[in-house]
Amino acid sequence: EPEVTQTPSHQVTQMGQEVILRCVPISNHLYFYWYRQILGQKVEFLVSFYNNEISEKSEIFDDQFSVERPDGSNFTLKIRSTKLEDSAMYFCASSELAGVSHEQYFGPGTRLTVT
Amino acid sequence: AQSVTQLDSQVPVFEEAPVELRCNYSSSVSVYLFWYVQYPNQGLQLLLKYLSGSTLVKGINGFEAEFNKSQTSFHLRKPSVHISDTAEYFCAVSDPFGGSYIPTFGRGTSLIVHP
Repeated sequence: EPEVTQTPSHQVTQMGQEVILRCVPISNHLYFYWYRQILGQKVEFLVSFYNNEISEKSEIFDDQFSVERPDGSNFTLKIRSTKLEDSAMYFCASSELAGVSHEQYFGPGTRLTVT
Repeated sequence: AQSVTQLDSQVPVFEEAPVELRCNYSSSVSVYLFWYVQYPNQGLQLLLKYLSGSTLVKGINGFEAEFNKSQTSFHLRKPSVHISDTAEYFCAVSDPFGGSYIPTFGRGTSLIVHP
């Protein structure tokens, strides 16, 4: 069964460093998403992406964040200068189309630890 | 904006016992409601969803949930749990008239099934 994959599973970085989290969505899906979950808190939406453009973003997704689909398979989240409060589990998801009737399929997550 | 409250951070239960995981959402005219499950080291997986129609929704793995508009609740139930149901469960809501189909998640409830 096709699945969303994410690498690495765990990333440790120093404050102020740039980090890139990688995701491979399901191949025939057109919409891609990033969410994050700070330990003990809610899963929060960051951004959605379609047709090589951001279609929606939350207040969390500020200028420190960017997303890219550098080739036909990868979908990346970049954090330019990491802060301690960026430590969280980051989930990538994809869906065939947009809307609540189209299920989002989630990856296993990347745990980012900023020291 | 919608919000979701999962009052129980952890629910321990013995195998074959019934379980209820509670979810309440902030009131709105109309909402879509979801339950996701996350097994260890895996991504979030959709268990069930309520979009309209019957207030009792059946999902995968023997789970069901009941939409109660007057109590703004969407509690998840299973009559007899297995060890394999040990996982994190997330309730989520989206507001179809709020301009976005992106779900708002709760903090999650950890279901721990003991033998």
